[in-house]
Amino acid sequence: QKEVEQDPGPLSVPEGAIVSLNCTYSNSAFQYFMWYRQYSRKGPELLMYTYSSGNKEDGRFTAQVDKSSKYISLFIRDSQPSDSATYLCAMSLSGTYKYIFGTGTRLKVLA
Amino acid sequence: DSGVTQTPKHLITATGQRVTLRCSPRSGDLSVYWYQQSLDQGLQFLIQYYNGEERAKGNILERFSAQQFPDLHSELNLSSLELGDSALYFCASNKGGDPYGYTFGSGTRLTVV
Repeated sequence: QKEVEQDPGPLSVPEGAIVSLNCTYSNSAFQYFMWYRQYSRKGPELLMYTYSSGNKEDGRFTAQVDKSSKYISLFIRDSQPSDSATYLCAMSLSGTYKYIFGTGTRLKVLA
Repeated sequence: DSGVTQTPKHLITATGQRVTLRCSPRSGDLSVYWYQQSLDQGLQFLIQYYNGEERAKGNILERFSAQQFPDLHSELNLSSLELGDSALYFCASNKGGDPYGYTFGSGTRLTVV
């Protein structure tokens, strides 16, 4: 079993839809949680980060962490075709900068 | 442009050969990280350097080695290459004191034939 599990998709949604992307993890000691967006032939780009549990909002993006369920989510409101990319979750232990990544979910937003 | 520069962008080489991938971190960043991304394994942490010193090691093969130079650029050396080493290799950087993410370069696509 992988430490971080992520549905690979692809996930296809119409423009304007609310998108929900999720990851589950097995190591309860993870403290830092991040979401990256990766366009084709590009490096991952940091979208959101949270420490421990709770929600964080940034524009159309909301990140949620539920440590009791070992489950993190990224919500995208009013999705746009430009949001079409692979979304990677990542997490790390306190005191380390080694991130464990999910394998990514491919999202397609249809115009 | 993320500010992290990786060269070359593409590399095609034969099995058994040795290659060197280069990374220049973002200005002001002291820490460099190397990751391997393959279709089936996703992004895998290889190694971290901070201000010239090795800080953390992941599942890096013995055939692979890295170093960070005094000007903070880093090189990843891959030797005795095998077909399975074909992947995207990413370098990332941060200041080293911020636990919240780092900035990735655009990667080097290595194809071993």
